Amino acid sequence: QKEVEQNSGPLSVPEGAIASLNCTYSDRGSQSFFWYRQYSGKSPELIMSIYSNGDKEDGRFTAQLNKASQYVSLLIRDSQPSDSATYLCAVKTSTDKLIFGTGTRLQVFP
Amino acid sequence: ETGVTQSPTHLIKTRGQQVTLRCSSQSGHNTVSWYQQALGQGPQFIFQYYREEENGRGNFPPRFSGLQFPNYSSELNVNALELDDSALYLCASSLAGTFRPDTQYFGPGTRLTVL
Repeated sequence: QKEVEQNSGPLSVPEGAIASLNCTYSDRGSQSFFWYRQYSGKSPELIMSIYSNGDKEDGRFTAQLNKASQYVSLLIRDSQPSDSATYLCAVKTSTDKLIFGTGTRLQVFP
Repeated sequence: ETGVTQSPTHLIKTRGQQVTLRCSSQSGHNTVSWYQQALGQGPQFIFQYYREEENGRGNFPPRFSGLQFPNYSSELNVNALELDDSALYLCASSLAGTFRPDTQYFGPGTRLTVL
C-alpha cells in the first residue's frame, strides 16, 4: 500500500463546474495535510493546508479531512481553465516526513 | 516568485558521472530540503539541512549527499549517476528546523537527464 494515494486522472470538468480531488493516506499518526498545485514544468505551489477534521475554505478552494477514514479531499468551485494543473496531496507523517502522492491531473475545458 | 533559486536549470550527464546541484534559500530561511520528482510522480524527500547539519533523510542511497553553507545556500551531490536519477530536483527553503510545509517555498528546480 502506498503511503499517499491519488487517482492520476486526468479529471476533466467543464468551466464553472466543481472539481473534486481525492487522496488517501496510510499513516494514522499523520497530523498535517497539504494540497499543492503544479503547472507543467514548474515547481509545486502550496494552495491549502488542513490539520483538523472537517472543512477548510479559502476562496474557491475547500479542503476536507476525515482522519477516521484517512481521507483528504480538495474541492475547486467555479473551475477555470487556469486551474488546469496537477494537484499533489502531501501528508506530514508521524516520523516528520512530507510524503507526496503521485498527483491528479485536472483539465478544465471551456 | 518565491526567492528560492536553483542552478543550473537543465543538465545532461552520462551514467557513472557525478553531479552537483545548487540552491540559494529565501532570505532569512535556515532550513533547506531537497526532493526528487521523477516524471509522472510526486516529489520524494531526499534530505533536509538545518544550520549546516543533516536533519532528516529519506530512502535514498549514500551516493546522494548534501551540504549547507553558513549563508544557508545548499548543494546536492549525486555520485555514480544511474539512468533512474533522471528527474526534476527541487529544493525548498523554510524558517524552522522541523518540517513546516506551510512556511516552505520551492525553487524552480533543476532538470537532470542521465544518458
